[in-house]
Amino acid sequence: SYVLSQPPSLSLAPGQTATITCGGDNIGTKSVHWYQQKPGQAPVLVIYYNSDRPSEIPGRFSGSNSGNTATLTINRVEAGDEADYYCQVWDTNSDSVVFGGGTKVTVL
Amino acid sequence: QVQLQESGPGVVKASQTLSLTCTLSGASISSGGFHWTWIRHLPGKGLESIGHIYFSGTTIYNPSLQSRVSVSIDTSENQFSLTLKSVTAADTAVYFCARGFNRIKMYFDYWGPGIVVTVSA
Repeated sequence: SYVLSQPPSLSLAPGQTATITCGGDNIGTKSVHWYQQKPGQAPVLVIYYNSDRPSEIPGRFSGSNSGNTATLTINRVEAGDEADYYCQVWDTNSDSVVFGGGTKVTVL
Repeated sequence: QVQLQESGPGVVKASQTLSLTCTLSGASISSGGFHWTWIRHLPGKGLESIGHIYFSGTTIYNPSLQSRVSVSIDTSENQFSLTLKSVTAADTAVYFCARGFNRIKMYFDYWGPGIVVTVSA
């Protein structure tokens, strides 16, 4: 089955830029979606179709996808951005949804 | 405003069957284009898709759970349900229902708040 790899954690100071990667075989040929999940809450869609952003998501969030890596970028990180972030694709071979293992972002 | 709400028992005994229901409000479950989905968050681990159902009744299941899972839909009640048989402690998780959009590039734009399910010995 298709595997998505994310770094387990990322720590940074307020105001810095968070770059969260999602690796997968030829992931650039797939549509990648990203979710933010805070403790005790449901995931929230922050990026869909690689780089589109729901209207309620701040412009500080952006996404890209090429080759074997998709990336979620959070500019000017704030304390409120502290959460787990998951990438997700649809795997046509197994006809199923696949999630990455998640990256815990800590704002120091 | 689309809202989803999970309901069901918070504790299930091992080897028994877990049954959950998701109630949709603010939209009709019969409207096309959406896949009504169950996803779980395993403790200390990540998110795992369980299965989806289209309003027509067509289902798609996670291959790793396919032998134990069933998703059904009740359009008259605007609900869809999950049944997971022969549960073990490994099925202890927070279960979410969600709305999936676009079959082959599926993403989830609305989620329920989640329900904690514990499998007891």
